[in-house]
Amino acid sequence: AQTVTQSQPEMSVQEAETVTLSCTYDTSESDYYLFWYKQPPSRQMILVIRQEAYKQQNATENRFSVNFQKAAKSFSLKISDSQLGDAAMYFCAYLYNQGGKLIFGQGTELSVKP
Amino acid sequence: DSGVTQTPKHLITATGQRVTLRCSPRSGDLSVYWYQQSLDQGLQFLIQYYNGEERAKGNILERFSAQQFPDLHSELNLSSLELGDSALYFCASSVEGLAGVDEQFFGPGTRLTVL
Repeated sequence: AQTVTQSQPEMSVQEAETVTLSCTYDTSESDYYLFWYKQPPSRQMILVIRQEAYKQQNATENRFSVNFQKAAKSFSLKISDSQLGDAAMYFCAYLYNQGGKLIFGQGTELSVKP
Repeated sequence: DSGVTQTPKHLITATGQRVTLRCSPRSGDLSVYWYQQSLDQGLQFLIQYYNGEERAKGNILERFSAQQFPDLHSELNLSSLELGDSALYFCASSVEGLAGVDEQFFGPGTRLTVL
């Protein structure tokens, strides 16, 4: 069974600094997708970035980028130039190519200090 | 706004009762997913429907059931409620959700409190 692990329950970053959130996963599949979702205090789930496992190039979306290490089954999220609005719970998620079920990690609560 | 609507926003009920949560997917989306977010279990997949048919099942209790109607809206029925069923229930929708990456758009959730 696929599992997703986020080992950092809480992280803190100074405004304008860079922070990296860690995620590891376990799967025997070779074709899958990985996501980072943001959940602000409003509880809305917002897709931040996604990565296709078959792509070697790391995904980037403005200030958000990932470090995808397929062999190590690692998928970290880097947030550059952190802003107060980045404060939220961040979830790493796995999606198997043949199904729509998202498997989530436990989440990392990110606080941003002014 | 994701385009996915869920009603009600909040629901407070007593143990042993039955409730129905409703979800309307984005226009054109055929797949609907239900997820439960609780302090104990985190975010868990419950069930997926595609064009009216059950497509995938997760850790959904037997006391819970769901269906997707011809107009593609979905309902999640929770019965014989227990204190542990208190959670945030999300509905998400996607165009197909059969294979390949197909972004899931999440609704705002229904907060269920069982007293």
